[in-house]
Amino acid sequence: SQQGEEDPQALSIQEGENATMNCSYKTSINNLQWYRQNSGRGLVHLILIRSNEREKHSGRLRVTLDTSKKSSSLLITASRAADTASYFCATANAGGTSYGKLTFGQGTILTVHP
Amino acid sequence: DSGVTQTPKHLITATGQRVTLRCSPRSGDLSVYWYQQSLDQGLQFLIQYYNGEERAKGNILERFSAQQFPDLHSELNLSSLELGDSALYFCASSPRYSWNEQFFGPGTRLTVL
Repeated sequence: SQQGEEDPQALSIQEGENATMNCSYKTSINNLQWYRQNSGRGLVHLILIRSNEREKHSGRLRVTLDTSKKSSSLLITASRAADTASYFCATANAGGTSYGKLTFGQGTILTVHP
Repeated sequence: DSGVTQTPKHLITATGQRVTLRCSPRSGDLSVYWYQQSLDQGLQFLIQYYNGEERAKGNILERFSAQQFPDLHSELNLSSLELGDSALYFCASSPRYSWNEQFFGPGTRLTVL
C-alpha cells in the first residue's frame, strides 16, 4: 500500500521557474526521502530529511517537513529541462522492525519546457 | 551509475512460467532490497536481506521468493507468473552504516504474455 500521497500528479513549467511538489503520509516516520526517476529507469536518491528536522537544502533543492501535518514539500529552484522526471517521496517508518523498508508515494511527473 | 547491477534488463515470458532476476549490490553494501513498480500499484517494497539474512518483508506474494548469497548478490524468483506480474523490478542496496540511503539499480522489466 502507498503511504505517501503526492500532489500534484503532474506539473508542467518553463525553464527557470520553480517547481514545488508536496507529499503527505500517514504514520510516524523516522525520515522522509525524495527520489527522482527518469523515464523507466532506476531511482536516484536526492535528499533525506529526518523527523527532527524542518528544512534541508541541497544545491537547487529545498525540502521541508511538517510532522504535525504529516507532510513534506520539495522545491526545485531555477528548473532546467534536465529536471524533467518523476519525483517520489519515500518514508521510513519509525520503530518496529521496518529497518530499511521505504514506502513510496505515487509520484509527481515534472515536465520542464525549454 | 549507482553501482548496483541487475540482470537481465528485459525479460519476456509466458503465464505460468518461472523466472529469476539477479542483483549485485554496490561494493561493500550488505543490504539488498527488492521493489516492484507497476502502473496500478506504484512502487512497492517486496523484501530486504542483510548479509544473507531476511530482515524485512513487504507485500511479497507467496509465489515470489528471494535469497542473498555469501558473495552478497541476490536473486528474486518469480513463479507461476501471471499477467499482473508484469512490472519493473528494482533492486537497491544501502551502506552498512545506514539503512536510509538506498542506491537503486536500473531495474529489470518483466513482461508476462
